Amino acid sequence: DGGITQSPKYLFRKEGQNVTLSCEQNLNHDAMYWYRQDPGQGLRLIYYSQIVNDFQKGDIAEGYSVSREKKESFPLTVTSAQKNPTAFYLCASGGRSGPPKGANVLTFGAGSRLTVL
Amino acid sequence: SQQGEEDPQALSIQEGENATMNCSYKTSINNLQWYRQNSGRGLVHLILIRSNEREKHSGRLRVTLDTSKKSSSLLITASRAADTASYFCATVSNAGGTSYGKLTFGQGTILTVHP
Repeated sequence: DGGITQSPKYLFRKEGQNVTLSCEQNLNHDAMYWYRQDPGQGLRLIYYSQIVNDFQKGDIAEGYSVSREKKESFPLTVTSAQKNPTAFYLCASGGRSGPPKGANVLTFGAGSRLTVL
Repeated sequence: SQQGEEDPQALSIQEGENATMNCSYKTSINNLQWYRQNSGRGLVHLILIRSNEREKHSGRLRVTLDTSKKSSSLLITASRAADTASYFCATVSNAGGTSYGKLTFGQGTILTVHP
């Protein structure tokens, strides 16, 4: 089955620790995205990548880092600089090669819930 | 900043009734999409409407787009208890050439359908 896999589903972090959330897709999508969801605030874009070895900051990139070394993988590191990391993190992918580039329907993973102790 | 703002924030109806959710946005878009999210899960794409389209249907879903007012609405007809979920609009902007664009989501509408 084609899809997008996030792990772990639940993660607990002590203050001052970095943690990395995994996101893998086998949909042959060019673009991948990380969103953060807090209660009542919808989804906010952290980082996105449209091609291997390239990525752009979203609206709330501070305290986060990403890499895109392979087309299939887009891990997100929540660093100790992120002051309020407790949230639900959603990874998504979209956009196959070729036009129209704007028809970018996203497929989402099941999410990772991070709690800071 | 949030591109899409949705109204109402919460909607409670009885099975069989229609549910209408609205979305407003601020800048020009390539297309607008609606997604559904069951509690604690990922989002699922429902429907996409392009900036040059005014209305689109998919099963019990009807989406309209008014680019002059920068607004869209999602109508779910003959609602069922299984439609209970959060619904989000997402706008795609700056797409074209080699860019897939940026998807920005609204705050969402929580729909509860009572049996």
